[in-house]
Amino acid sequence: GDSVTQMEGPVTLSEEAFLTINCTYTATGYPSLFWYVQYPGEGLQLLLKATKADDKGSNKGFEATYRKETTSFHLEKGSVQVSDSAVYFCALSVSGSRLTFGEGTQLTVNP
Amino acid sequence: ETGVTQSPTHLIKTRGQQVTLRCSSQSGHNTVSWYQQALGQGPQFIFQYYREEENGRGNFPPRFSGLQFPNYSSELNVNALELDDSALYLCASSLVSRGAYSPLHFGNGTRLTVT
Repeated sequence: GDSVTQMEGPVTLSEEAFLTINCTYTATGYPSLFWYVQYPGEGLQLLLKATKADDKGSNKGFEATYRKETTSFHLEKGSVQVSDSAVYFCALSVSGSRLTFGEGTQLTVNP
Repeated sequence: ETGVTQSPTHLIKTRGQQVTLRCSSQSGHNTVSWYQQALGQGPQFIFQYYREEENGRGNFPPRFSGLQFPNYSSELNVNALELDDSALYLCASSLVSRGAYSPLHFGNGTRLTVT
């Protein structure tokens, strides 16, 4: 079945540090890939997405590139802020009707 | 544009009881999906509704059931509650048109505690 594996957390960084959160996937079809973010006490917000190989999704300084050859969709940001502290989820969708999520990575950014 | 709203925000029930959670989809959306998020884990797909019918189901027992209404709002019903049902229940809506789905928009969830 479909699955998503994220790097183990939690991740603690200082403000302005470089962020990478690894994500790899297994899918029976040709999935679309997503990163969602969850702030404390809130639901999930779509951060970025990519629908085909070599697509780069980007939003709010975050980027991720759909790598079919390595089945990966790593999230990066060049300079994190305290306000980026949240839980980040990598997810895939093959049919469009359901998402398969990874277990999430807790990010804490210290001033 | 009105986002996805869920009610109640928190709920405490006793093992064996039944619970109903409610969701209003984002305006313009015609599908509703429900996810269960246990503490410290990623959300798990329960089921999706489209045109008032179940349109896909995850690995959840029949005591999890749902409804979608003509205005695209939805209910999630769970019978015979178990302690392991304690979780954050997330509702998400999207627009499907000509077989293509827009990205899911999530509500803030209902935190269910079963004691």
